[in-house]
Amino acid sequence: DAGVTQSPTHLIKTRGQHVTLRCSPISGHKSVSWYQQVLGQGPQFIFQYYEKEERGRGNFPDRFSARQFPNYSSELNVNALLLGDSALYLCASSLRTSGGANEQFFGPGTRLTVL
Amino acid sequence: AQSVAQPEDQVNVAEGNPLTVKCTYSVSGNPYLFWYVQYPNRGLQFLLKYITGDNLVKGSYGFEAEFNKSQTSFHLKKPSALVSDSALYFCAVRDINAGNMLTFGGGTRLMVKP
Repeated sequence: DAGVTQSPTHLIKTRGQHVTLRCSPISGHKSVSWYQQVLGQGPQFIFQYYEKEERGRGNFPDRFSARQFPNYSSELNVNALLLGDSALYLCASSLRTSGGANEQFFGPGTRLTVL
Repeated sequence: AQSVAQPEDQVNVAEGNPLTVKCTYSVSGNPYLFWYVQYPNRGLQFLLKYITGDNLVKGSYGFEAEFNKSQTSFHLKKPSALVSDSALYFCAVRDINAGNMLTFGGGTRLMVKP
């Protein structure tokens, strides 16, 4: 079975632009989470979606938004990009959200560079 | 609020020797604890988790971790290190009473020398 896939692999944008990152979860997984990993740090939680509804949100500004589609894939959108948004954006999927015991499986990430 | 501390930025060990990567956590309720490994330019790979039960958890690639509630620790261990174990290791915690947010530590770089 294919793992979590993310596109694009790399992306270069300039300040003020908008970006859309995409994620396809493992088949059968209904929960998708997004994380931001700045170089040299651990991943920081941005959003979790389950059954197309937002189930959790981290401490990120409203410039960050996401959605989940009926096929459980997800998009992360970032508006008005800042230099500090440069990071590896990780998508993770899990079987479900309730209970919390399920491990999350991560994709390879999208490397975003903001110039 | 939940938090994770990995006190060592880097751990150096010789191949064949035992290794320990330290992790302490803070949650208001009972924790779910996880270890992930990250290789260069790759996403995170799941190693093992503690949910409940036996305090010694066995995971992938010969790794194990010991949950210690009194010390709020979840140290990662392996009896005999391999050069291929060299990578970045992350400990993560989820408070079962605080939703589904997974909080990661800052990571520990493991260097195994031949």
